[in-house]
Order: sequence, then structure tokens, then C-alpha cells
Amino acid sequence: QSALTQPASVSGSPGQSITISCTGTSSDVGSYNLVSWYQQHPGKAPKLMIYEVSKRPSGVSNRFSGSKSGNTASLTISGLQAEDEADYYCCSYAGSSTDVVFGGGTKLTVL
Amino acid sequence: QLQLQESGSGLVKPSQTLSLTCAVSGGSISSGGYSWSWIRQPPGKGLEWIGYIYHSGSTYYNPSLKSRVTISVDRSKNQFSLKLSSVTAADTAVYYCARYNWNDLSAFDIWGQGTMVTVSS
Repeated sequence: QSALTQPASVSGSPGQSITISCTGTSSDVGSYNLVSWYQQHPGKAPKLMIYEVSKRPSGVSNRFSGSKSGNTASLTISGLQAEDEADYYCCSYAGSSTDVVFGGGTKLTVL
Repeated sequence: QLQLQESGSGLVKPSQTLSLTCAVSGGSISSGGYSWSWIRQPPGKGLEWIGYIYHSGSTYYNPSLKSRVTISVDRSKNQFSLKLSSVTAADTAVYYCARYNWNDLSAFDIWGQGTMVTVSS
């Protein structure tokens, strides 16, 4: 069982928006603004898409956005494109005893 | 551009020790503000953080693996290593090395391509 809870799958049509949730606890997501999101295509290494809850690294499309409320973080992808079809993982710092926790991952299907 | 490359045995027998190395190129492993990390992904499953080592040499491990894990740095070779003892089939996974960047963005910003390790007799 993963420390952070994500839906197993989400889907959307091209051009639509989808949101992936990531629920943790007051010891991780709720305590630190150190939530990051990763995109992983089959057979590839994960790629950083969002860091510190809502910031985008250079080169990541502004169609990707992040937010947090309480113990739940969210990743929103707007204007869905076929290339967005991938697995998405959230990650949070969880303090000095556990340090890092990942979500179980969400498979995004673009219909 | 900093790059990471994993290497090591792709097949390990049960009860033995898994050993992997991550070579760092395009930058120094001794630079401050980074943690050099190992993350794994069993086939068809999600990511699991194994642990990391700070530039200072301090190590932090996943509590569920702590008793079996050692991460170390070889500054002369600009690389870091993972040892996981007493392996079982449950340790079969793709193993990634990654850099956690505390300086600029507090996230795993650079990843190796990953290496598959199978535990089997």
C-alpha cells in the first residue's frame, strides 16, 4: 500500500481537462509544500512536471498545473493531448523519519 | 547537462546482495544542496523511494528497507552506490538513480534511465 493515495486511472478526450488527486496525511502533504508530480511513459524514466506544489520546471507546458488543499494535492492537465497519455505519480517530503513518499500512480488515458 | 547512468548486475540470487552503481557526469557529486537517490519500480507497479545520501555523506532510508540498505558515495569516481542485502523475488524491479535538488526546486529533477534487476535462482 502506497503512502499517498491516487486514483488508479483517469481518462479524458483531447482538448478536455482532467484532475488527478493525491491524498496524504498531516505528516506529509499537509505539512510541507514539497509536493512534486512526475510523468512516466512506458519503458521510460519519470519526468518532473510540477515541484513545490504548483511550480513548473523550465520546458514543461503551462497546460500542467498543481495545487494543494489540506492533505490533498492535485495535478490538472488542460487541453489534453494524445502525448499526455502516461502514468502520473505524486511525491511528497514527509519529514526526517520517512523523508520521501510516492503515490501509487494514476494511468491517464486520452480517449 | 548533468546525467546519471546506472550499472550493475541484472540477475541476483535470492538471499544474496544486490549491488548497483550510478555514475554522475556533467557535474560534481560533491556539490552542495543535492541528495543522491535510489528509487525502484517493480514490474507493473509504482515507484518506491529506497533512500538517498546527502553531499555531506548523511544517509536517509525508507523505513521499510532500512535494515537491508546501504547507500554510499565514491567522490574520486564521481559515483554513488546501492547495496541491498538478503534479496527476495519481491526486490525484482527497475532501479533508478536520481538527484533530489534541494537548491532550486525540492524534487527529483534528474533521473537515470533505469536498470532492471531480477532476483531468481
